[in-house]
Amino acid sequence: GAVVSQHPSRVICKSGTSVKIECRSLDFQATTMFWYRQFPKKSLMLMATSNEGSKATYEQGVEKDKFLINHASLTLSTLTVTSAHPEDSSFYICSADPGKYNEQFFGPGTRLTVL
Amino acid sequence: SQQGEEDPQALSIQEGENATMNCSYKTSINNLQWYRQNSGRGLVHLILIRSNEREKHSGRLRVTLDTSKKSSSLLITASRAADTASYFCATDARYNTDKLIFGTGTRLQVFP
Repeated sequence: GAVVSQHPSRVICKSGTSVKIECRSLDFQATTMFWYRQFPKKSLMLMATSNEGSKATYEQGVEKDKFLINHASLTLSTLTVTSAHPEDSSFYICSADPGKYNEQFFGPGTRLTVL
Repeated sequence: SQQGEEDPQALSIQEGENATMNCSYKTSINNLQWYRQNSGRGLVHLILIRSNEREKHSGRLRVTLDTSKKSSSLLITASRAADTASYFCATDARYNTDKLIFGTGTRLQVFP
């Protein structure tokens, strides 16, 4: 149990386009999901906390209009990178908190490459 | 932010040897967790240790926690080539338990 999926696993896009990444909890409901960004050989940096039915809470330095988060249901959160630029190229990982075990379950990540 | 520091940043050992990774953090916590990440993949939860616990075991893993020093260690005994991965500690903040703050990670290479 406690499986989190992400789609797509890899995406390559042109500069200026928008990319949507989905995060789904497959066998549990998650009122809270988290979005992280990871640069090569670096740690995970929390970007935002996604709350079902309300606005996401962004970490300092993360542009809300750049990284749009929607948590429309208890099993789905989406991250849209708007007007992507090469510096947005990174590994994006989501996690979901079932709210029971004080543990987050992580998706497999999405590698975004912006040309 | 509360990001923890891990050392060593990289560790190379032979199969059968033990691997020890250390993590330090800055503020009071409720829990500390260790995660593993294979290259280009998501994170796998290994073990959670609560602030009132000093040691915890899970198979070949042994985790210690010293809240007075704000540090934790992860010991992998009898390592295998399949243990090759990056290992991260993550702490929650005592007054904001939803968030996890990750350490800088240790890249472990186990040679057969």
